[in-house]
Amino acid sequence: DTAVSQTPKYLVTQMGNDKSIKCEQNLGHDTMYWYKQDSKKFLKIMFSYNNKELIINETVPNRFSPKSPDKAHLNLHINSLELGDSAVYFCASSQRTTSKPHNEQFFGPGTRLTVL
Amino acid sequence: GNSVTQMEGPVTLSEEAFLTINCTYTATGYPSLFWYVQYPGEGLQLLLKATKADDKGSNKGFEATYRKETTSFHLEKGSVQVSDSAVYFCALMRYSGSARQLTFGSGTQLTVLP
Repeated sequence: DTAVSQTPKYLVTQMGNDKSIKCEQNLGHDTMYWYKQDSKKFLKIMFSYNNKELIINETVPNRFSPKSPDKAHLNLHINSLELGDSAVYFCASSQRTTSKPHNEQFFGPGTRLTVL
Repeated sequence: GNSVTQMEGPVTLSEEAFLTINCTYTATGYPSLFWYVQYPGEGLQLLLKATKADDKGSNKGFEATYRKETTSFHLEKGSVQVSDSAVYFCALMRYSGSARQLTFGSGTQLTVLP
C-alpha cells in the first residue's frame, strides 16, 4: 500500500548511457514532481506535471525528459548520462484543490543514481 | 527571488536536550512555510506547516511559528530523542502560474546521542 513508489531504488551506470526512473502514486493525486538531491543534501525541483500537463520546468538540461502517461505515473528519462547527474532523485505527488491550496507533497523513497 | 536559509549543520545533541534549528526566508507575497524531515534512507515527510503569519505548526513535539516581521520559521523541540536523528528541511511554497512550487533550504543534519 505504498503511496509513492519509485523504481529502481539504486541505479549504477556508465557515462553516456540512457536510463529511466519510474514513479507511481496510488493516492489519486493530480500533480507529480521530480526533485534532485545532490551530495550535500540540497533539494531542487526539476519538473512538475498537473493532470499530465507540464507546469514546472526548471533550468534542467534537455537530456532530462519527463513523461507522464497518466495521472498516476511520472517517469524520468535521462540521455547521455554525465558524472554530474549522480544524485538522489525524488518523486513526489500532491492534490491541487482550490479549497486547500497548500496541500502536502508526498515523497517517494528516492532513487540513488551513480554515474561512473 | 524566493529563497530559504537554514542553520548550518550538523547538529549533535544529547537525548532530552532542547533543539532549535533556525530558518529564515525571502519571498514575495505571503508564502506557506513547511518543515520536512528525512530519516536515513527514506524520502521526505512533512513534519509541520504554517500558512499565514503568526500561525504555529506543531507535530510530534516539534513546533515552529510563522514570523512575518522577522521572516523566520524556526523549528523547536523541548526534549529530543534518539529517534529524532534525521535531516530537517525548511521550505516555502510559492505559486508559479498554476503550480505550487516548494523551495527548500539546504537541510540540517541532526544527530541525537543516547
